[in-house]
Amino acid sequence: DAKTTQPTSMDCAEGRAANLPCNHSTISGNEYVYWYRQIHSQGPQYIIHGLKNNETNEMASLIITEDRKSSTLILPHATLRDTAVYYCIVRLPQGAQKLVFGQGTRLTINP
Amino acid sequence: DSGVTQTPKHLITATGQRVTLRCSPRSGDLSVYWYQQSLDQGLQFLIQYYNGEERAKGNILERFSAQQFPDLHSELNLSSLELGDSALYFCASSPPLENTEAFFGQGTRLTVV
Repeated sequence: DAKTTQPTSMDCAEGRAANLPCNHSTISGNEYVYWYRQIHSQGPQYIIHGLKNNETNEMASLIITEDRKSSTLILPHATLRDTAVYYCIVRLPQGAQKLVFGQGTRLTINP
Repeated sequence: DSGVTQTPKHLITATGQRVTLRCSPRSGDLSVYWYQQSLDQGLQFLIQYYNGEERAKGNILERFSAQQFPDLHSELNLSSLELGDSALYFCASSPPLENTEAFFGQGTRLTVV
């Protein structure tokens, strides 16, 4: 699995967009970018994933650069409940693939 | 609610003892994964089972073992417990499909005293 690099921590004001970057310069052509988050010792929660096109769902948007070496998770209107550790993971599309978590980014949403 | 059930939620035991953590995956999911998260540490992959067979192994200690039963529930057995084994243990499951996410339970908090 490709290695990812994320900032250790970030702050964002409530109501503003939170933009979380992730570098994955060694990603291979068929690997997907997945994002999960973990809210204070709860089980990790899936957010979104993508291959090369930008993706959006009810939780977030994922922007992947054209060369696929980096991506940005966007929480458009952050709330206090979005305070969590966010993990960027690169993995193959085949089913039943284990997830390898890095240290993630600790995002704090401030009132 | 992810649909993955872990029991017990909390467990306190003494050093040297043995405990069993249980995981019931979502209906239809064939894969079960176990993770360990020590205090202020990341999520460490321990082991994966797929339809009853071991599929992948991570940094799992020899004192730890797991199995997946015919009804697809899984158990993680931790023996000769040490203080350093105190951690959150998460179970996740995923369906046998390409490009699907894993669903995590709420974890078992193990405290070894």
